[in-house]
Amino acid sequence: EAGVAQSPRYKIIEKRQSVAFWCNPISGHATLYWYQQILGQGPKLLIQFQNNGVVDDSQLPKDRFSAERLKGVDSTLKIQPAKLEDSAVYLCASSPLLFSGEQFFGPGTRLTVL
Amino acid sequence: AQTVTQSQPEMSVQEAETVTLSCTYDTSESNYYLFWYKQPPSRQMILVIRQEAYKQQNATENRFSVNFQKAAKSFSLKISDSQLGDTAMYFCAFMPRPFFGTGTSLTVIP
Repeated sequence: EAGVAQSPRYKIIEKRQSVAFWCNPISGHATLYWYQQILGQGPKLLIQFQNNGVVDDSQLPKDRFSAERLKGVDSTLKIQPAKLEDSAVYLCASSPLLFSGEQFFGPGTRLTVL
Repeated sequence: AQTVTQSQPEMSVQEAETVTLSCTYDTSESNYYLFWYKQPPSRQMILVIRQEAYKQQNATENRFSVNFQKAAKSFSLKISDSQLGDTAMYFCAFMPRPFFGTGTSLTVIP
């Protein structure tokens, strides 16, 4: 079974530029999560999807971050414009269950904002 | 709002010995789930063990077991017969609304 795929693995941008991350979850997993993991901290939930609907985006900085999951499969997370404090690893995870299941994580995208 | 606290930023253990990682949490939810995840250096995060709050029996997975004290809101992870491959960051996590602790960096010493 293929795992959660993410791309790119690394990205370096200047502040005020835009960037997009892509995630392909495990086939059949209806729930998809995007996390921000700042160095030395635990993952922080940005947004949770169930199929193509948003379950929780209360911690997503909506003035600069956006995410979508068209057709309930792949998902993209965008930052526009980026700030220095957005430097972090962005993790995507998927799960077969909405609220109680194991999350399967991708390798993450390491973003550096200069 | 829930909180998850891991009070041990770093720990070390001799190979083949036993180590316990601590986690406390706070929530007003009545139905919830607790997890321990492992994040090896430069590798993906994987599930170690899962506990349903409504179950009194502590979960076990081979060398990994938990001590779940619901009244005290404590959820510690015990690793028996520690192996070099157990070296990793360990995160305590809460569901249904995903919330992770700050992690404990565990080093297994040969």
